[in-house]
Amino acid sequence: TQLLEQSPQFLSIQEGENLTVYCNSSSVFSSLQWYRQEPGEGPVLLVTVVTGGEVKKLKRLTFQFGDARKDSSLHITAAQPGDTGLYLCAGGYTGTASKLTFGTGTRLQVTL
Amino acid sequence: NAGVTQTPKFQVLKTGQSMTLQCAQDMNHEYMSWYRQDPGMGLRLIHYSVGAGITDQGEVPNGYNVSRSTTEDFPLRLLSAAPSQTSVYFCASSYYGAGDGETQYFGPGTRLLVL
Repeated sequence: TQLLEQSPQFLSIQEGENLTVYCNSSSVFSSLQWYRQEPGEGPVLLVTVVTGGEVKKLKRLTFQFGDARKDSSLHITAAQPGDTGLYLCAGGYTGTASKLTFGTGTRLQVTL
Repeated sequence: NAGVTQTPKFQVLKTGQSMTLQCAQDMNHEYMSWYRQDPGMGLRLIHYSVGAGITDQGEVPNGYNVSRSTTEDFPLRLLSAAPSQTSVYFCASSYYGAGDGETQYFGPGTRLLVL
């Protein structure tokens, strides 16, 4: 059973455009993580959010955890070709380390 | 630190063969996990371990065995390979911080083809 739905599945944009990726669930999570994965490599953790309503910024990336801790969004400002990759969200529960539930992923391509 | 290392990088098996995917980490993390990644499915948890000598099943454990005799190593064994086990396998190690949740580090993956 897939508990985390990501949208859109694919996104192709030009350099300089803004975009938002969504991660939605019917379940409440204690924490929500975002990863980026490049072809042939393992996912790399970008951020962890643990408080409902929390907003974290990582340079041009803004992450938000929904108030009810069921959803999250990733906003990229002025996308660059280096942002190209597969973006994955993952939900976790307090006290259950190593049992993350991953979303299906959003594949982003940024062209010149 | 080498981080999380996985061997082999690629493997082709015939149906019914067995093999072990190796995973090692040098960060002294208590927690380790195995995932498989299939197109359109994201990552699905196979087995995980919260410390040496302790393992448990994840979402898709059938056909796989694990053991954790040391903190560093967490091998994944395919007992009798089937074409449905064709996938990319990722090992991860992690630590759990009370304020930050879990921080996972992934290995580079093993690409497995079962004919």
